[in-house]
Amino acid sequence: QKEVEQDPGPLSVPEGAIVSLNCTYSNSAFQYFMWYRQYSRKGPELLMYTYSSGNKEDGRFTAQVDKSSKYISLFIRDSQPSDSATYLCAPGTGGGNKLTFGTGTQLKVEL
Amino acid sequence: DAGITQSPRHKVTETGTPVTLRCHQTENHRYMYWYRQDPGHGLRLIHYSYGVKDTDKGEVSDGYSVSRSKTEDFLLTLESATSSQTSVYFCAISDSRTGVDQPQHFGDGTRLSIL
Repeated sequence: QKEVEQDPGPLSVPEGAIVSLNCTYSNSAFQYFMWYRQYSRKGPELLMYTYSSGNKEDGRFTAQVDKSSKYISLFIRDSQPSDSATYLCAPGTGGGNKLTFGTGTQLKVEL
Repeated sequence: DAGITQSPRHKVTETGTPVTLRCHQTENHRYMYWYRQDPGHGLRLIHYSYGVKDTDKGEVSDGYSVSRSKTEDFLLTLESATSSQTSVYFCAISDSRTGVDQPQHFGDGTRLSIL
C-alpha cells in the first residue's frame, strides 16, 4: 500500500462547478500538507500549504486537512478551463523539505 | 519558475553512457532536490542537498550520484544510464525561515530518454 493514495482520474467537470480533490495517507507523522498544480510538460507549482488540521482558503481554493482520519482535500470553486491540470497532494514532515507525493489527479474543466 | 533553471531540457542517449543533469538556482536557497516522475509512481525523491557538499539519499537513489560544490548548482549524474532511468527529472529548491522549513518550488524538468 502506498503511503499517499490519490485517485488518478481523469475528473471531468463543467465550467463553474465546485471540484473536490482528495488524498488519503497512512503516516501519522505528517504535519505539513501541500497541494501542487502541474500543467502538461511543466513543473509542479505550489498551490496551497497548510500545517496540521483545519481549513485554509486562498481565493477560489480551499485546502482541508483531517488528521484524525488522515484525509486531505482541495476544493476549487467556480472552476475555470484554466484549472485543467494535474493536482498533486504532498504531505510531509519537517516543514517543506520532506514530502511524499501522491500520483496526482487529472482534472478537466470543460466549457 | 522560482529562479530555477534545469539543463538540458531534453536529452536522448544510449544505454551505458554517462549523463549529467544540471540544476541552477538564483534564490540562494539552502535545500535542493532531485526527483523523477513516472506514470503510476508520482514524484519520487532521488537525492537531496542541505548545503554545499552536504547531500543525502532519497527513496530511489540507486544508479544516481549528486554533487553540490556551490550553493546555486546541484548536479545529478547517471554513471551508466539504463533504460529504466528514462523519465522526467525535476529539480526543486526550498529554504528555512526563522527555523521553519519552507515549501519546495520546482523547475520545469528534463525529459531524458535512454535507448
